[in-house]
Amino acid sequence: AQKITQTQPGMFVQEKEAVTLDCTYDTSDQSYGLFWYKQPSSGEMIFLIYQGSYDEQNATEGRYSLNFQKARKSANLVISASQLGDSAMYFCAMREGPYGNNRLAFGKGNQVVVIP
Amino acid sequence: KAGVTQTPRYLIKTRGQQVTLSCSPISGHRSVSWYQQTPGQGLQFLFEYFSETQRNKGNFPGRFSGRQFSNSRSEMNVSTLELGDSALYLCASSLGFQIPDRENTEAFFGQGTRLTVV
Repeated sequence: AQKITQTQPGMFVQEKEAVTLDCTYDTSDQSYGLFWYKQPSSGEMIFLIYQGSYDEQNATEGRYSLNFQKARKSANLVISASQLGDSAMYFCAMREGPYGNNRLAFGKGNQVVVIP
Repeated sequence: KAGVTQTPRYLIKTRGQQVTLSCSPISGHRSVSWYQQTPGQGLQFLFEYFSETQRNKGNFPGRFSGRQFSNSRSEMNVSTLELGDSALYLCASSLGFQIPDRENTEAFFGQGTRLTVV
């Protein structure tokens, strides 16, 4: 069964506008972590933001924020003030179980293209 | 501090050959995980090594193996290469254990090795 679902088709975003990328997850664990990564065409995976299942506040890292709705099992990424360099694939990932375990399940990704 | 280093960046191999990929994690990190990324299957977990021991394993055939050295550097080996093994292979580095009062939030990736099997 798919653990991470990212269903949005490719998105075009106007520079300086905000964009929200949807991510829903499926787990029966009480302890888990949610990650967002950016993958530009060069291929490297760039860590953006992390949300722990016990975190009461939504995570923020600069222009990135995570809208965590635990009851709905969603962890949407919000990128504010989009820049041309934000054009990339974005992946949502989940780590289940105890901390320290480094096994991540990834979604299929969202393609974002920022236009001037 | 230095990031995660994967070598080589690109490889072209022939069917039936074997290949070894290398990953040097961030200093102080003891966990290295390997992932395969293909257009059709997306990102799939291969295995994780922590303190020289395999801690997690994904659903890949035995042709895929790995190891980790005492300095935390890890190697991944694929034997008897098939055309379907063509992919971007990524490794991820993390502490691998929980720090008291702080969650293990770090999982940083290298630039990947792009393997082409012909």
